[in-house]
Amino acid sequence: ETGVTQTPRHLVMGMTNKKSLKCEQHLGHNAMYWYKQSAKKPLELMFVYNFKEQTENNSVPSRFSPECPNSSHLFLHLHTLQPEDSALYLCASSQTSGSYNEQFFGPGTRLTVL
Amino acid sequence: GQNIDQPTEMTATEGAIVQINCTYQTSGFNGLFWYQQHAGEAPTFLSYNVLDGLEEKGRFSSFLSRSKGYSYLLLKELQMKDSASYLCAVLDSNYQLIWGAGTKLIIKP
Repeated sequence: ETGVTQTPRHLVMGMTNKKSLKCEQHLGHNAMYWYKQSAKKPLELMFVYNFKEQTENNSVPSRFSPECPNSSHLFLHLHTLQPEDSALYLCASSQTSGSYNEQFFGPGTRLTVL
Repeated sequence: GQNIDQPTEMTATEGAIVQINCTYQTSGFNGLFWYQQHAGEAPTFLSYNVLDGLEEKGRFSSFLSRSKGYSYLLLKELQMKDSASYLCAVLDSNYQLIWGAGTKLIIKP
């Protein structure tokens, strides 16, 4: 238990569906991250929020839309996904971004796009 | 470009010692992390090195040579529960983490 929870743990969706991933951290951190983890590939940073403001968007397609209503919650809204988007989506948090700060990860959402 | 290299997979025997290497080429350096990730679980922090040398933490040690762009994670007295993926990541000049693809460690009895 790292203090970061993610729901759902598994998600299967069609290419025309709309779904959302949820992340919540109970650590009092101010920075939250979305990563994509594909088999045998490095973790890909997707989005970074620091004090609820988006500070990084690493050329992520617009079919992924993040939302950070407060420092404890982070969402990833999904629509019109492609089969190649199937992966493990990890959420992480840290005290702040932009300096040394250990990141704490959630268990991830295993997404399958049919 | 920025690059982190580590072996894809390693196999070792219970009770033995294993060394997992990581080499990096990044724009700037503000430290190197090792994380452990069991299948289906969250990555968890193992170590952070920013100065050259060896950091020991129980059965696990991590070494860094900044001049060589090289680090290793040393696991002693291997246990079956050490079967996992080990991720190397470097904090670059923008304090962004650059990740390796991970090394899957298989422990055999």
